[in-house]
Amino acid sequence: TQLLEQSPQFLSIQEGENLTVYCNSSSVFSSLQWYRQEPGEGPVLLVTVVTGGEVKKLKRLTFQFGDARKDSSLHITAAQPGDTGLYLCAGAQTGKLIFGQGTTLQVKP
Amino acid sequence: DSGVTQTPKHLITATGQRVTLRCSPRSGDLSVYWYQQSLDQGLQFLIQYYNGEERAKGNILERFSAQQFPDLHSELNLSSLELGDSALYFCASSVGTPPNSPLHFGNGTRLTVT
Repeated sequence: TQLLEQSPQFLSIQEGENLTVYCNSSSVFSSLQWYRQEPGEGPVLLVTVVTGGEVKKLKRLTFQFGDARKDSSLHITAAQPGDTGLYLCAGAQTGKLIFGQGTTLQVKP
Repeated sequence: DSGVTQTPKHLITATGQRVTLRCSPRSGDLSVYWYQQSLDQGLQFLIQYYNGEERAKGNILERFSAQQFPDLHSELNLSSLELGDSALYFCASSVGTPPNSPLHFGNGTRLTVT
């Protein structure tokens, strides 16, 4: 059983479209992190959300932490081909960082 | 560049063999983590060391072992290899422990068991 469930698993869209990726759990996390991974490389941290209801923006990316701190979402506005990659959410539990299965995003020009 | 160095980048070996993967953390980072990434299982946490001591254990098989040396580099040993062990193995490092310290990942070692 995956502790963190991400949806959708795969997403293929055209350049300029908007999209949202979800990360859900039945467990409460003190914080959630979002990473992006490109082929042949390791994941790179995008953001950490700590407070329930928190919203953070990183250029065209908007991250939200659920009020109950069990879920998070990543919204990308006007997606570009450079946004293509694997998006992973991760939550800390007993000192371990547990990752979701990831959402593979492909943005076509 | 994350500052985390993993060697080798690629490794091809036969079933039943033993291999050692090496990781040099970012300068100043005391924690080292090992993850296994496969297509069907995603990124699975294996084990964490902090300043030479084992701190947390995940889904690490008994055939696998790891250690962190006094100079803080770490090695992951995989023995009696099976076809299903083929995967990307990532090392990450951080100053402290989650959730207070972000992880910095290396570019991984791709292990192929034939």
